[in-house]
Amino acid sequence: EVQLVESGGGLVQPGGSLRLSCAVSGFTFTTYWMSWVRQAPGKGLEWVANINQDGSEKYYVDSVKGRFTISRDNAKNSLDLQMNSLRAEDTALYYCATHSSSSLAFDYWGQGTLVTVSS
Amino acid sequence: SYELTQPPSLSVSPGQTASITCSGDKLGNKYACWYQQKSGQSPVLVIYQDTKRPSGIPERFSGSNSGNTATLIISGAQAMDEADYYCQAWDSSTAPFGGGTKLTVL
Repeated sequence: EVQLVESGGGLVQPGGSLRLSCAVSGFTFTTYWMSWVRQAPGKGLEWVANINQDGSEKYYVDSVKGRFTISRDNAKNSLDLQMNSLRAEDTALYYCATHSSSSLAFDYWGQGTLVTVSS
Repeated sequence: SYELTQPPSLSVSPGQTASITCSGDKLGNKYACWYQQKSGQSPVLVIYQDTKRPSGIPERFSGSNSGNTATLIISGAQAMDEADYYCQAWDSSTAPFGGGTKLTVL
């Protein structure tokens, strides 16, 4: 069974930092691109960042460039998102998701971890 | 950045066909995907590569993509299909989503 379990969310002050993690199991991690997708309360889905299988390619939505860094550890089957200089508008439920080169879609999703940026 | 536009809401009666559109510049030249998100749950992929259904997705879900518009079609919509639906496409290794369409079946 495919499982993606996010952790690391919480309450942080504006300008602060937080590191999210996603532990995966049930599939061959090294064959998938991985992404972070967020959803602000009551709003739609927003793709945040993705990383290729060996970590050599990374892409970000413009609003987080220079503040967020995506990374992966293939030995530990884990995905991370380091978030710095957090803003109120970063408040959201953050999902990790897989996408394969065969489907070109987000095949599997975690349950999400909530990040709240507030003073 | 690439933008995808969806109608905010759509309402159909049970058994009717629901057609949800997604518009983007030359979207027909890209692969479109669709996700269903029920209240309080994570999104679920229902259509990928314009027309393909993942295993376990009912046959009443289908898709098309041509020109500037991709369409998710739910033939014979059921109460259990009431959800938010999001389109998504790939643009230069980024993955924008549409704003979402709230489907009401009543």
